Amino acid sequence: EADIYQTPRYLVIGTGKKITLECSQTMGHDKMYWYQQDPGMELHLIHYSYGVNSTEKGDLSSESTVSRIRTEHFPLTLESARPSHTSQYLCASGPQGRGLGNYNEQFFGPGTRLTVL
Amino acid sequence: KQEVTQIPAALSVPEGENLVLNCSFTDSAIYNLQWFRQDPGKGLTSLLLIQSSQREQTSGRLNASLDKSSGRSTLYIAASQPGDSATYLCAANSQGAQKLVFGQGTRLTINP
Repeated sequence: EADIYQTPRYLVIGTGKKITLECSQTMGHDKMYWYQQDPGMELHLIHYSYGVNSTEKGDLSSESTVSRIRTEHFPLTLESARPSHTSQYLCASGPQGRGLGNYNEQFFGPGTRLTVL
Repeated sequence: KQEVTQIPAALSVPEGENLVLNCSFTDSAIYNLQWFRQDPGKGLTSLLLIQSSQREQTSGRLNASLDKSSGRSTLYIAASQPGDSATYLCAANSQGAQKLVFGQGTRLTINP
């Protein structure tokens, strides 16, 4: 079944640790996105990718980095986690435009709730 | 720069009522608008997508409309149920942009 997956779902770690949040999709989508969302607050785009070897920074500055070596995989890495990184991280993917230029439809994973102590 | 607003921030209605959620956007030059549902602590579930050439889309008890000239979209929920309780977000995709711009959402509570 075509879907988008995120692991882990929950992560509690200490300050200074390096972490990687995994995101994979089996829908064959070229576009992938990472959002950050604090409880009860709006979503902020932190990274996006249009395809393999393509990565861009989003609207919200983030100390995290991303890579896109395979179409289906878009991991997010924090080299040294801090309490300020505590948040929910949502991954999304979407197809390329179907003759409509910047057509943009997105499908979301279940999210990873990160707590840094 | 596109801005998306959803009012009210929260809404509580009795079960069985029909209701309308509102979404306003400042730049009418959009390619599409997407409605999502988010349950507490979960990801977003796509409900409906309306392309710029369409005026409405329907899925089950949900109907979304789009009026680009007035910069408005509405999500109509018929015969509301307690399971409809969630936060509903709309997001606009502007021409020339490669990103969705999200509203802050309307938190809907359906009371049994």
